[in-house]
Amino acid sequence: NAGVTQTPKFQVLKTGQSMTLQCAQDMNHEYMSWYRQDPGMGLRLIHYSVGAGITDQGEVPNGYNVSRSTTEDFPLRLLSAAPSQTSVYFCASSRTVNTGELFFGEGSRLTVL
Amino acid sequence: RKEVEQDPGPFNVPEGATVAFNCTYSNSASQSFFWYRQDCRKEPKLLMSVYSSGNEDGRFTAQLNRASQYISLLIRDSKLSDSATYLCVVNSDYKLSFGAGTTVTVRA
Repeated sequence: NAGVTQTPKFQVLKTGQSMTLQCAQDMNHEYMSWYRQDPGMGLRLIHYSVGAGITDQGEVPNGYNVSRSTTEDFPLRLLSAAPSQTSVYFCASSRTVNTGELFFGEGSRLTVL
Repeated sequence: RKEVEQDPGPFNVPEGATVAFNCTYSNSASQSFFWYRQDCRKEPKLLMSVYSSGNEDGRFTAQLNRASQYISLLIRDSKLSDSATYLCVVNSDYKLSFGAGTTVTVRA
């Protein structure tokens, strides 16, 4: 019973490098989202999607891109990594956003040097 | 102003005690409200939804005050296993906004 699967769990990047955090869910959820969590800041919404082909910006979208070509997958791309993007990233999904029951992946710890 | 604000705590309480804390939100048009629990270095998990009339789930009671724009969580008969960070979550227009969390530590 996989739920929400995020990869990689840990990553170290140099400033300027690009990378993609993968997120996949097997629950046929419409809603998927990416958050970053920093000490004292709580989880902040980066991007979200209410269905395949539909994405929108959250609170802190700059420096990140997303796409939703299938219901299952919602990758997060860092175009040119910066030290300010050092954080823990969580992918989450839910049947619809109004249920409020987000299922989270285990998180990806990213360090940008 | 942050959309969702919480007292970070920590609240240090003995086993068996009652602990309560609040969360305020800025968007008066917010549609739904939730409490999540996050253990150290783990992902958040839904604890309970918060309904307008207030609701209980075992030892946990959640209240919503729309007029004053806050929600609350009360934990009765605290257990060691209740030690965690509790996140307040508010749904506004397809966006779920999280508070920074209130840390509760229950001591033996």
